[in-house]
Amino acid sequence: GQQLNQSPQSMFIQEGEDVSMNCTSSSIFNTWLWYKQDPGEGPVLLIALYKAGELTPNGRLTAQFGITRKDSFLNISASIPSDVGIYFCAGQGAGGTSYGKLTFGQGTILTVHP
Amino acid sequence: NAGVTQTPKFQVLKTGQSMTLQCAQDMNHEYMSWYRQDPGMGLRLIHYSVGAGITDQGEVPNGYNVSRSTTEDFPLRLLSAAPSQTSVYFCASSYGPSYEQYFGPGTRLTVT
Repeated sequence: GQQLNQSPQSMFIQEGEDVSMNCTSSSIFNTWLWYKQDPGEGPVLLIALYKAGELTPNGRLTAQFGITRKDSFLNISASIPSDVGIYFCAGQGAGGTSYGKLTFGQGTILTVHP
Repeated sequence: NAGVTQTPKFQVLKTGQSMTLQCAQDMNHEYMSWYRQDPGMGLRLIHYSVGAGITDQGEVPNGYNVSRSTTEDFPLRLLSAAPSQTSVYFCASSYGPSYEQYFGPGTRLTVT
């Protein structure tokens, strides 16, 4: 099946620093999604990307759909304590057999020190 | 508008017992799915449905059954629970797999 590698697995940063994380796939994706999960909750969508090369902001967050369609990046600028959580990338593959199947990365655990 | 609801929130089973995890949504979404979340593994797709009467397997379907008789409900059945099924289970719904998925609060299942 399709594999998503997300890195880094965890990050410990100071408040105010910028954060970057990325996901790479062994195959092409048509859609990339970035979610955040708070403890004890289900994931919540941050940004959705539907077109290769697309760069989409959401406040202090910016996500990019890689040109090769095999990778995506999420950047957080000027981090604040409430950014703490687990960030997941997710992708839907190209091709008929991939329809309906969303694949998630392993997650990046973000800790922000005030 | 309750969104996606899941019951129960916590459950402990003995090996071999069966149970059904309930999931319901009131957003008239056609697409519903079940994931399990294990430490370091992210969310893995168990089964999904693109509409009432249509279901298909995801990445880790073994040991689980689903059915979709209505648009609103998508129950997940464990026929004979095993310790390897200890996990947190999330149900999600959306207009389609490429659209924002709305997740329920999760069910934490422990099999002893």
